[in-house]
Amino acid sequence: ETGVTQTPRHLVMGMTNKKSLKCEQHLGHNAMYWYKQSAKKPLELMFVYNFKEQTENNSVPSRFSPECPNSSHLFLHLHTLQPEDSALYLCASSQEATGQNTEAFFGQGTRLTVV
Amino acid sequence: AQSVTQLDSQVPVFEEAPVELRCNYSSSVSVYLFWYVQYPNQGLQLLLKYLSGSTLVESINGFEAEFNKSQTSFHLRKPSVHISDTAEYFCAVSESSGGSYIPTFGRGTSLIVHP
Repeated sequence: ETGVTQTPRHLVMGMTNKKSLKCEQHLGHNAMYWYKQSAKKPLELMFVYNFKEQTENNSVPSRFSPECPNSSHLFLHLHTLQPEDSALYLCASSQEATGQNTEAFFGQGTRLTVV
Repeated sequence: AQSVTQLDSQVPVFEEAPVELRCNYSSSVSVYLFWYVQYPNQGLQLLLKYLSGSTLVESINGFEAEFNKSQTSFHLRKPSVHISDTAEYFCAVSESSGGSYIPTFGRGTSLIVHP
């Protein structure tokens, strides 16, 4: 148990559906991240929130929409996804994103399948 | 910009044999280095990290890694592996200059321990 909880663990959705992934951390961290993990590819950083402000958006398609209502919660809203979006989506948190304390704590991930 | 190269996508070894997982990075400034481990259907867990000081860092389960600045490497070693060490291992680097310190991950190395 890393202190970062992701729900759901598994999600199957059609290309026309709208769904949301949820991440919650109780570590008192101020930075939260979304990563995409596809088979045999490096982890792809999608979004970074530092003190609730989005500081990174790595050219992610607009069909992925993040939301960070407070430092403990992070959402990833999904709509009109494509089959190639199927992957493991990992949430992580760290003390902050601009200092030495960038050791990341990861959730168990949401396995997303787009059909 | 920082980048991480994990030269081996898969490393098979027999139980109780030594193992080395290689990691090289490129960066123009001083760095922080991390090794993460991912067990099946789990998120990433921090195994060990180098921030400063001694170039040899150890984990609680017998792994160690040595920061070699001249060779820009941070190889992970264990003198005697167990079946339970079978997992995916990720090397990560973050630059300690101005701006973000978000770690960049390698593609991962799959360690497979055979009985």
